[in-house]
Amino acid sequence: EIVMTQSPLSLPVTPGEPASISCRSSQSVQHTNGYNYLAWYLQKPGQSPQLLIYLGSNRASGVPDRFSGSGSGTDFTLRISSVEADDVGIYYCMQALQAITFGQGTRLEIK
Amino acid sequence: QLQLLESGPRLVKPSETLSLTCTVSGDPITNTIFYWGWVRQSPGKEVEWIGSIYFTGTTYDNPSLKSRVTLSIDTSKSQFSLTLTSVTTADTAIYYCVGGRGIGARPRYFDPWGQGTLVVVSS
Repeated sequence: EIVMTQSPLSLPVTPGEPASISCRSSQSVQHTNGYNYLAWYLQKPGQSPQLLIYLGSNRASGVPDRFSGSGSGTDFTLRISSVEADDVGIYYCMQALQAITFGQGTRLEIK
Repeated sequence: QLQLLESGPRLVKPSETLSLTCTVSGDPITNTIFYWGWVRQSPGKEVEWIGSIYFTGTTYDNPSLKSRVTLSIDTSKSQFSLTLTSVTTADTAIYYCVGGRGIGARPRYFDPWGQGTLVVVSS
């Protein structure tokens, strides 16, 4: 099983400031085809998770461009260029190279 | 717009079987890009993939749950289903049905997610 480890687990951020979340996998999630099978989701309070980023760096439809994903192999980062109040929630990374596994989640809150 | 809706009992007794159905609307369940699946979230917010099924009936299993999980699909009803046997209190969770987007004949990310249904295992 590929273990996904996120940090930090809690992230207080002032509106307008940038934020970043790290996700590390216990083994590479890059396929031989070059794709990194790494996705990011945001679960807003009281809602289902929603897709933000897929294949490591591709923004999902309708996702604001202040969200960006980067990384390859075992180390990935989700960045928010300027945090807004609507960004509050739990962020999860997920790998799908092997049997799908999720990180433990990072709770973003507004200071 | 693709929408998914879970249905099924909200309370299951220990050692019994949990059964849920997801109804797909807004897109054919036979759309070849989708791998329909189930994900659950424990009360502590841990998220776990249960398994996925293609419209042909091919399934993709989580090894940790495989012995207790059965996935099925009924294309005539635009529904897919989950059964989980021998449940314990550790199976108490919000169960989401998901539309898995496929690359290389496997689901690689989930979009959309259903609204989720809380299933409690308790006597």
